[in-house]
Parts: sequence; structure tokens; C-alpha cells
Amino acid sequence: DTEVTQTPKHLVMGMTNKKSLKCEQHMGHRAMYWYKQKAKKPPELMFVYSYEKLSINESVPSRFSPECPNSSLLNLHLHALQPEDSALYLCASSPTSGQGSYGYTFGSGTRLTVV
Amino acid sequence: ELKVEQNPLFLSMQEGKNYTIYCNYSTTSDRLYWYRQDPGKSLESLFVLLSNGAVKQEGRLMASLDTKARLSTLHITAAVHDLSATYFCAGDKIIFGKGTRLHILP
Repeated sequence: DTEVTQTPKHLVMGMTNKKSLKCEQHMGHRAMYWYKQKAKKPPELMFVYSYEKLSINESVPSRFSPECPNSSLLNLHLHALQPEDSALYLCASSPTSGQGSYGYTFGSGTRLTVV
Repeated sequence: ELKVEQNPLFLSMQEGKNYTIYCNYSTTSDRLYWYRQDPGKSLESLFVLLSNGAVKQEGRLMASLDTKARLSTLHITAAVHDLSATYFCAGDKIIFGKGTRLHILP
């Protein structure tokens, strides 16, 4: 299995809702990442987990809450989002922290719309 | 802090032509990565350049790295419409350039 699987692919949520994005990989990668990408912009790093511990939080608002239950799973819990949080949320993984010799493997993304 | 700059940011070219996308980075980075993104899709890893002088080719795309000049190039040979996409370079510190939107006219 050489994929990063993200669910759901599309999500529409209200500003008072609570939802979660899920990311899964079975490549034995020990680093996992959340990126946010707005239209026609590069991906912006949000969080890095290395060996299931949060190693980087790029000053992301607390309405985004990451969780890494085990080495294969990464969640992003969403609460009280704003319309400007609408974006493509990408999960990526790599064997160890940093792109190393292989670069990242990206999931297909979750397109989030906040209404 | 590593900064990655790409140029051009937008490129419209005719099929059959050659062109080069440039990626400059601000501080030492031993490695450089190129990704492709189709509209509304995720990123696909194209090339991983691990050392000075590295050159990699895949089909009509060839990437190179000059760590002394802090420059990587992505060269497109005899472009075809299927290569239309946004191309990102990224340095070793998880920082992406702004991307080059490539539009190839039939």
C-alpha cells in the first residue's frame, strides 16, 4: 500500500458544527503532516507529527485540533470554523520528519466549505 | 528561514516548445523537490534532487540542482497539453514555492 487516504473527500459544515478529517497511511511512515491550501496558492503547513508526537504547530488557531491516535492515523478536529477556513486540506506522510530521499506522499485532500 | 521563489508564476506556451521553470532558495538546502498539481487535485511528487549537480529526467521533464547557486530548474522539452498543471518546488524545510501555473496551448 503506497497511498495516503483522506476522508471525507468533500465536507460542508456550518460555523457551529464540529467535524473531523481523517488521514490514514500504511506505509510505515513515522511523520505525518496537515497542510491547508487555498485556491491558486501553495500548500501552507499547519501541523507536523513525528513518531506520533506533535513536533510543529505553525501558529494554527485553536479551532483546528490535530490528533495522532497511532502511527497510521492522523485526524484534524474542526470546531467553530469561519468561512475563510474553506480550503483544500491535504495530509502527507514521509518515512521520517522532513522530505528526505523520497519527498512527501500526499493524500487526495478534503475540500472543506464552511457556510 | 528558508524562502523558495519560483519564476515565472504563470506560463502559457505552445505545444512543441521548450521552456524552463526556475526555483531559487534563500539558504542552504541540500535537497530540492518538485511536485505537480492538477486543478482541484492533490500533489504528485515528480523529482527528488538530493545533491549538487543532480539531474533527473522523466519523459519531457528534466530537473537539475545547483546547490552553490541555490537554484533548481525544471526544463520542459517539446511541451504537450497533458503537461498543463501547477508545478511547485520545495526546499528541505517543508517550504513550498508559490508554484508555476503552466498552460500549454494546443
